[in-house]
Amino acid sequence: ILNVEQSPQSLHVQEGDSTNFTCSFPSSNFYALHWYRWETAKSPEALFVMTLNGDEKKKGRISATLNTKEGYSYLYIKGSQPEDSATYLCAFYNQGGKLIFGQGTELSVKP
Amino acid sequence: ETGVTQTPRHLVMGMTNKKSLKCEQHLGHNAMYWYKQSAKKPLELMFVYSLEERVENNSVPSRFSPECPNSSHLFLHLHTLQPEDSALYLCASSQSYRTGGTNYGYTFGSGTRLTVV
Repeated sequence: ILNVEQSPQSLHVQEGDSTNFTCSFPSSNFYALHWYRWETAKSPEALFVMTLNGDEKKKGRISATLNTKEGYSYLYIKGSQPEDSATYLCAFYNQGGKLIFGQGTELSVKP
Repeated sequence: ETGVTQTPRHLVMGMTNKKSLKCEQHLGHNAMYWYKQSAKKPLELMFVYSLEERVENNSVPSRFSPECPNSSHLFLHLHTLQPEDSALYLCASSQSYRTGGTNYGYTFGSGTRLTVV
């Protein structure tokens, strides 16, 4: 059974706070790790796809790191804004060809 | 508009009805997917099509029947569903199947919210 665990399940922060979430995944048969942002009533939107151990990716105020040997990835948001409020999903793609999702971290940013 | 369009957005059906969900993409992607999200659970992979051929059937009950007539269209035919099948059904596509959306990830539709009464 492939388990992808995300923590915390939900997070409430004030505008301007920086925050981070964790994604844990199996360290064997690794192929890629995806991060998605899913706003209410919209479709999940890809943020990053990471494949190499030690990879760091950045898009604006959002960045992510990857450790494939120990099976975790961190997503960081610097200076959170209300428009960052969404559910953040990570998904593990193994060599068997399946993209397995975690339950998500629900972020709420208050003005 | 994400490039993957799903219709209808909402569907209420009785347990004896037959209905179909439709997914369409014109991104030139070769792989298409059906995912299910039930309340408080992760997205659950149901079916995978690569170049119009079904390559994954994730132990889904036969009351769900997928169809991929061409690389741009994917259907999910529903019949004799149960109330526990009520969920959000998401369609997604990627450039190819075995690369797992390596460059750009998967592109998702907005989903069909299904309620079985």
